[in-house]
Amino acid sequence: GESVGLHLPTLSVQEGDNSIINCAYSNSASDYFIWYKQESGKGPQFIIDIRSNMDKRQGQRVTVLLNKTVKHLSLQIAATQPGDSAVYFCAETLKAAGNKLTFGGGTRVLVKP
Amino acid sequence: DAGITQSPRHKVTETGTPVTLRCHQTENHRYMYWYRQDPGHGLRLIHYSYGVKDTDKGEVSDGYSVSRSKTEDFLLTLESATSSQTSVYFCAISEDGGRYNEQFFGPGTRLTVL
Repeated sequence: GESVGLHLPTLSVQEGDNSIINCAYSNSASDYFIWYKQESGKGPQFIIDIRSNMDKRQGQRVTVLLNKTVKHLSLQIAATQPGDSAVYFCAETLKAAGNKLTFGGGTRVLVKP
Repeated sequence: DAGITQSPRHKVTETGTPVTLRCHQTENHRYMYWYRQDPGHGLRLIHYSYGVKDTDKGEVSDGYSVSRSKTEDFLLTLESATSSQTSVYFCAISEDGGRYNEQFFGPGTRLTVL
């Protein structure tokens, strides 16, 4: 399949533990922030998004936290499973720029059994 | 992959040859995008389309052209491929790019330019 990257930061986590993936974003005016998951050989898959006027949003086993003061975004995965092994990207979008996505560099998550 | 197909899935070509990649969607979404993905750069937008025959440049458009003659098809052309265009190319669609909408991605095309 298509490789994502050779020099990505990697997070190793034990199965069942919680994972926290961090992202520093660039534009304080961005309207939405999105997390994508990319498995080997596949295209990115939407996980969860958060609007810029929110601090926290929860989904199924995932929580996204937004700290606008330090321009930091995080994705928490509860009870990490082997199927969570993938590369995770944060992205931001700005309405004034036509809502085009700007992606971060990605973090590889490896779940150890 | 949300009704998105890309063809070919893999291609090897030589420097200087023209290459066309095809993205086909069955979702009738208005917006379509082409990205490239390289190690250390994440995904970067090449071109996008906001309707039939309506296209615009993205972040890394030099050396690429696009065409959209039908809602369902978005073509990416490398007029004269170079080794720096070796990459994985992803197509994406969204229902309405005029406001924030989730983008759905295709499976990707791996292009190698020798």
